[in-house]
Amino acid sequence: DADVTQTPRNRITKTGKRIMLECSQTKGHDRMYWYRQDPGLGLRLIYYSFDVKDINKGEISDGYSVSRQAQAKFSLSLESAIPNQTALYFCATGKAGENTGELFFGEGSRLTVL
Amino acid sequence: GENVEQHPSTLSVQEGDSAVIKCTYSDSASNYFPWYKQELGKRPQLIIDIRSNVGEKKDQRIAVTLNKTAKHFSLHITETQPEDSAVYFCAPVGTYNNNDMRFGAGTRLTVKP
Repeated sequence: DADVTQTPRNRITKTGKRIMLECSQTKGHDRMYWYRQDPGLGLRLIYYSFDVKDINKGEISDGYSVSRQAQAKFSLSLESAIPNQTALYFCATGKAGENTGELFFGEGSRLTVL
Repeated sequence: GENVEQHPSTLSVQEGDSAVIKCTYSDSASNYFPWYKQELGKRPQLIIDIRSNVGEKKDQRIAVTLNKTAKHFSLHITETQPEDSAVYFCAPVGTYNNNDMRFGAGTRLTVKP
């Protein structure tokens, strides 16, 4: 089945380390998103991308960067991780076009920064 | 971006009762109104959606109603069951930028057996 795959699923790191979370999809979707979820809170948008030449900041982009290496790949980087970036991170994909609709999520990447 | 508010933040009901969750939004040109369900430890998944050319949509025990004048839409779950216990999110899409997909803060629904 076409899906959205995130790696790693769990990661523990130390303050100041560089971390990359990767997302790949086999759905053929043009739009890709990175969200952050904190315990008891909703999904906050970090970055999103229309296609490989397009990157847009979301609500909480400070401290993060992204790279859209191909239509199917969208990675999220923390250049120098800090403890308040401890969270569950979701990648999502969606179709482009007039009838913008459903988002399809990966299983999430749980990041702990000590 | 779109301002999205979701109420209540928590909701507890007895099995068999109905549950209603409301989502208000700011962009009057919004045209797509989905609801996602996130079970504990799982990814969010779409359960029902509606577009602005209809006022209500039903799928078995769940329904979504839309009031474009008041800029809100609601999720209705009837005959609730323990497996309905989850966090529910709305994510209205505003046409000013169809690709800025922002979510409400979520509603934790608990269905007590």
